Amino acid sequence: SQKIEQNSEALNIQEGKTATLTCNYTNYSPAYLQWYRQDPGRGPVFLLLIRENEKEKRKERLKVTFDTTLKQSLFHITASQPADSATYLCALYRRALTFGSGTRLQVQP
Amino acid sequence: GAGVSQSPRYKVTKRGQDVALRCDPISGHVSLYWYRQALGQGPEFLTYFNYEAQQDKSGLPNDRFSAERPEGSISTLTIQRTEQRDSAMYRCASSSDDSRGNEKLFFGSGTQLSVL
Repeated sequence: SQKIEQNSEALNIQEGKTATLTCNYTNYSPAYLQWYRQDPGRGPVFLLLIRENEKEKRKERLKVTFDTTLKQSLFHITASQPADSATYLCALYRRALTFGSGTRLQVQP
Repeated sequence: GAGVSQSPRYKVTKRGQDVALRCDPISGHVSLYWYRQALGQGPEFLTYFNYEAQQDKSGLPNDRFSAERPEGSISTLTIQRTEQRDSAMYRCASSSDDSRGNEKLFFGSGTQLSVL
């Protein structure tokens, strides 16, 4: 069956460091992969979309990579700040957008 | 409105009652999606519409769940004969593009359903 796997354990890092979150998938051949941010009590908010023919995409302090051979996407936040603390979800398109369970990031001041 | 609006924000009902959850998407958005989200999990796809046409309802758990979007704007998700296992956050999202995988979804704040 198709699976999207994100690390269920929270990631704790120090302010100023780079946070790296992983999204692995099986039995998909997605043309696109998306990342969303979700704060407690709120709906997910779109961050970035990367296409299968793009190896890397950047937006301000965010960087996403997409390796279709490894079936993996990495999501990086450079110079992290406490305000970056949230849950980050990756999503792949099947017949509709399907989400992973998310990884909670905690940035310590 | 400026964003996706869902009502009610909270709904408490007794087992066996029917509930109707409403979603008002961003004006002009073509596609509308319903998801269900359990605590600590990502959103779970239920169904989606392009305009008024229900394109995919494969995520609806059983035939007690139904959705409609009769005029291609506001949508209602109805759960008949509610059960305790239906308790969850129900989220609606809309997109300006048809569902091809590259659409950006805008989510509402959700309806928290509690079935007693």
